[in-house]
Amino acid sequence: DTAVSQTPKYLVTQMGNDKSIKCEQNLGHDTMYWYKQDSKKFLKIMFSYNNKELIINETVPNRFSPKSPDKAHLNLHINSLELGDSAVYFCASQDRGNYGYTFGSGTRLTVV
Amino acid sequence: TQLLEQSPQFLSIQEGENLTVYCNSSSVFSSLQWYRQEPGEGPVLLVTVVTGGEVKKLKRLTFQFGDARKDSSLHITAAQTGDTGLYLCAGALSGSNYQLIWGAGTKLIIKP
Repeated sequence: DTAVSQTPKYLVTQMGNDKSIKCEQNLGHDTMYWYKQDSKKFLKIMFSYNNKELIINETVPNRFSPKSPDKAHLNLHINSLELGDSAVYFCASQDRGNYGYTFGSGTRLTVV
Repeated sequence: TQLLEQSPQFLSIQEGENLTVYCNSSSVFSSLQWYRQEPGEGPVLLVTVVTGGEVKKLKRLTFQFGDARKDSSLHITAAQTGDTGLYLCAGALSGSNYQLIWGAGTKLIIKP
């Protein structure tokens, strides 16, 4: 049983398109995140949600909009995709007891 | 700016050798975590250390948290090809709303 699942795994799309990435966790964690990992493998936080409420919104273009319909889901919608959006996007949930993150397997987004 | 510096950035050694990866900061962390990430997957939590001076062992991996809780090290004894991957450290700041500060990672290659 996958603890944090993201779909799709790969996403190739043209500039200007709108796309969504879905994330679901079955761990019962209250906190979920979206991270962007660039080509140098640096993990940069984008958003954090606690129990469906946005608590961290780092400096990302407002073309990126997270949505959390319930505490088990955190989706990421991206409008007007640009070449620079190409990266691997990771969803993660967090156990507040020990701060430990459980990551999804990532979505490799390629904008052409 | 809170930074977590990892060194080395890249390490390639022969199977059977020992190695140490370092994670340093000027900030004090309430806890620090180590993750391993393999290609095409998300980071996987290896260990969380919370007490200054704490040492944790995970088979051939030994993790140490500095006395002042500003730094940590990961030592691998008799490295195996299966240890190959990207090793990431991440620190939790007190009162940070559970957000982690991430290091840039150490890419480790173990040659047969």
